[in-house]
Amino acid sequence: DAKTTQPPSMDCAEGRAANLPCNHSTISGNEYVYWYRQIHSQGPQYIIHGLKNNETNEMASLIITEDRKSSTLILPHATLRDTAVYYCIAHRGTNFGNEKLTFGTGTRLTIIP
Amino acid sequence: ETGVTQSPTHLIKTRGQQVTLRCSSQSGHNTVSWYQQALGQGPQFIFQYYREEENGRGNFPPRFSGLQFPNYSSELNVNALELDDSALYLCASSSDGTSIYEQFFGPGTRLTVL
Repeated sequence: DAKTTQPPSMDCAEGRAANLPCNHSTISGNEYVYWYRQIHSQGPQYIIHGLKNNETNEMASLIITEDRKSSTLILPHATLRDTAVYYCIAHRGTNFGNEKLTFGTGTRLTIIP
Repeated sequence: ETGVTQSPTHLIKTRGQQVTLRCSSQSGHNTVSWYQQALGQGPQFIFQYYREEENGRGNFPPRFSGLQFPNYSSELNVNALELDDSALYLCASSSDGTSIYEQFFGPGTRLTVL
């Protein structure tokens, strides 16, 4: 899996959009960008993933640059419940059931009331 | 649909002892992965079981071992516990029948080694 780099921490005001950047300059053509988050004292939770097109689901949007060397996770209207550590992971995303996820140290996002 | 469950939630052991942690995978999932998460770090992959066979292992010594049962639940065993084994142990289940690779994590077992 390609190495990813994220800022260690960020703050965001409640109700505003939270934009979490991730650098993955060595990502290969068959690697997806996955985002997971871990709320305190819980296991990580899948948020979204993408290959090269922008993606949106009920939780977030994912913007991937055209050269695929970086991406941004967007939480459009952050709430206090979005306070968590967010992990950006480059992964091949096969469905063979034999792949590990390589977590870095992530970005600790704090939503400020 | 029942999610991933782990037991126990907390455990205290002393150095040199042995411990067994348990995980029940989400219904319909045939793959279980175990991760170790030290304080302030991201989860680190220990190993994965797919249809009762070990199917990939991270950089952990042989005293970390596991099992997967026919119902796809799993156990993580750690022998000769060391102080550095103190961590949150996470189990994640997934299925090779899905089109994306999404792992569903349990709440973890917090192990303290004294």
